[in-house]
Amino acid sequence: QQQVRQSPQSLTVWEGETAILNCSYENSAFDYFPWYQQFPGEGPALLIAIRSVSDKKEDGGFTIFFNKREKNLSLHIKDSQPGDSATYFCAASGGSGYNKLTFGKGTVLLVSP
Amino acid sequence: GPKVLQIPSHQIIDMGQMVTLNCDPVSNHLYFYWYKQILGQQMEFLVNFYNGKVMEKSKLFKDQFSVERPDGSYFTLKIQPTALEDSAVYFCASSLGRRSNQAPLFGEGTRLSVL
Repeated sequence: QQQVRQSPQSLTVWEGETAILNCSYENSAFDYFPWYQQFPGEGPALLIAIRSVSDKKEDGGFTIFFNKREKNLSLHIKDSQPGDSATYFCAASGGSGYNKLTFGKGTVLLVSP
Repeated sequence: GPKVLQIPSHQIIDMGQMVTLNCDPVSNHLYFYWYKQILGQQMEFLVNFYNGKVMEKSKLFKDQFSVERPDGSYFTLKIQPTALEDSAVYFCASSLGRRSNQAPLFGEGTRLSVL
């Protein structure tokens, strides 16, 4: 059973557009949601994260919108650049206390110049 | 910034052999993790480790798997014996604390190919 779901599986946007990546979860105990960016052949790099007490988090051109009631969140990448082309993973943790992350399957983002 | 280093980047071994994957975590981090990623799939938690002990492990952490960090050196994942289904990329991660708002930093992974 997939506890963290991401959509779409892949997304293509033009340079300068806002890319929107979606994530939903099932476990109400999750209270922390980091997003990781992964380039081919590299490890996932922490991009931005939000705690469930907040409904919005901004960092540079990246914004997370969080809806606790609906158990979903989205990552908005403003003014997308070709260098933002990567796979983005939504992850979730909480409850058990030992920082075990549950990952989604990822969204492959392609930003076309 | 701080980095988690993994050695080697790629390991090829025959089924049934033993393999040890090495991880050099961020120097002041106290919690260490291994995740497994099969090509095209999401990363899945294997185990976390603190103060010389396994704190939590998943169903994927089979009896053939073990972890240790002797004397503050490398944090290692050993698989003995290996099986074909162990072929995957293994990511090591570390974090300063155990609280769920301290996201782990990941290494670049070791690609394990079991033939």
